[in-house]
Amino acid sequence: QQPVQSPQAVILREGEDAVINCSSSKALYSVHWYRQKHGEAPVFLMILLKGGEQKGHEKISASFNEKKQQSSLYLTASQLSYSGTYFCGTEINQAGTALIFGKGTTLSVSS
Amino acid sequence: GAVVSQHPSWVICKSGTSVKIECRSLDFQATTMFWYRQFPKQSLMLMATSNEGSKATYEQGVEKDKFLINHASLTLSTLTVTSAHPEDSSFYICSARLWGYNSPLHFGNGTRLTVT
Repeated sequence: QQPVQSPQAVILREGEDAVINCSSSKALYSVHWYRQKHGEAPVFLMILLKGGEQKGHEKISASFNEKKQQSSLYLTASQLSYSGTYFCGTEINQAGTALIFGKGTTLSVSS
Repeated sequence: GAVVSQHPSWVICKSGTSVKIECRSLDFQATTMFWYRQFPKQSLMLMATSNEGSKATYEQGVEKDKFLINHASLTLSTLTVTSAHPEDSSFYICSARLWGYNSPLHFGNGTRLTVT
């Protein structure tokens, strides 16, 4: 079942922060985050596994609350290069099957 | 890092013709590859899971006779869109995992298919 992402779109100025949420109606084993620029393939950002861990990548970090079956992506001090569409991809077991992606959140950062 | 190569990057074909898209894992062996389709400003929708040496597994609503998938080797999966129609115009992206669970999906660069 497709995870639900919110918000659908975010408009920021450089240096501002944003939070993107991803929630599932099913128990999750892992959550993956990707960023896609227009006309390009998605690029992997990070993966969070069951266990409530939090990961970081430069000024982008994420958390995973397995009890709430949700994950949040935190973008701090946003840069122009952060613009794009962010997708969360989820899997419900360790089978290594395909990810099911949310509808995406479009982030626009301006100077 | 793991590299997935997809070819062609774009293709324009006439309605009724067939188009083949190739997906190769360049520096690792992929027993499983995943094919996604993405319409403009929409999400990545899983079409099928390609399994090396066996039949592909298709998602509900995806016509297996229209979207033929062949995974003949550990590094190559192909998607053939048969008797293409304008509604098949979309962005097709293949992906693979370097190893099983706990590893990310590595995507090819995608193929933009336009059917006229």
